[in-house]
Amino acid sequence: AQKITQTQPGMFVQEKEAVTLDCTYDTSDPSYGLFWYKQPSSGEMIFLIYQGSYDQQNATEGRYSLNFQKARKSANLVISASQLGDSAMYFCAMRVVGDTGNQFYFGTGTSLTVIP
Amino acid sequence: IAGITQAPTSQILAAGRRMTLRCTQDMRHNAMYWYRQDLGLGLRLIHYSNTAGTTGKGEVPDGYSVSRANTDDFPLTLASAVPSQTSVYFCASSDSRTSGSYNEQFFGPGTRLTVL
Repeated sequence: AQKITQTQPGMFVQEKEAVTLDCTYDTSDPSYGLFWYKQPSSGEMIFLIYQGSYDQQNATEGRYSLNFQKARKSANLVISASQLGDSAMYFCAMRVVGDTGNQFYFGTGTSLTVIP
Repeated sequence: IAGITQAPTSQILAAGRRMTLRCTQDMRHNAMYWYRQDLGLGLRLIHYSNTAGTTGKGEVPDGYSVSRANTDDFPLTLASAVPSQTSVYFCASSDSRTSGSYNEQFFGPGTRLTVL
């Protein structure tokens, strides 16, 4: 079965500090992709970062990095130097290629609050 | 380029009424998806379509129907709305035809639906 788990409903971080948002996944497919999306209070879904299952190096995009530990099936998002604008809901997602095409699975999200 | 548009932005609907949420993309993506987002439950897939003319059921399809007459449009219909369908609905699309590892989903702005 395919599943994404985010165990932190809410997180707080001091401005300028780093924060790690946890994500674990479960799939038996050897080929999959892992995504993080940000949803600010305005509601739109913003793509942040991607990690492929065969990628050897952890993905980085500016202040975002993905700590990919394949053996543990975890794909934690690390935000460095937090900013007030980082306060939002964060969703981890997994894409697998099923018989009928791409299938996406989302976690329940983590609400991040950056404290000034 | 608009990406994905959804209409209406929000709607209040009496229980028992029929409602169609519209979704249009201009990226020529082959795959389109409908999700509902509820507090604490993340995004749950309602229906999807991997190519024009085909549709499939997601995790929570009951009470909803979709059609995919062409590449660009993917309407979601509630035949007889019930209060439990009060939610925020997101349409998304992705291009699963490419061999690239991304194939990320692009999301519309969402439709906030309230069923009384």
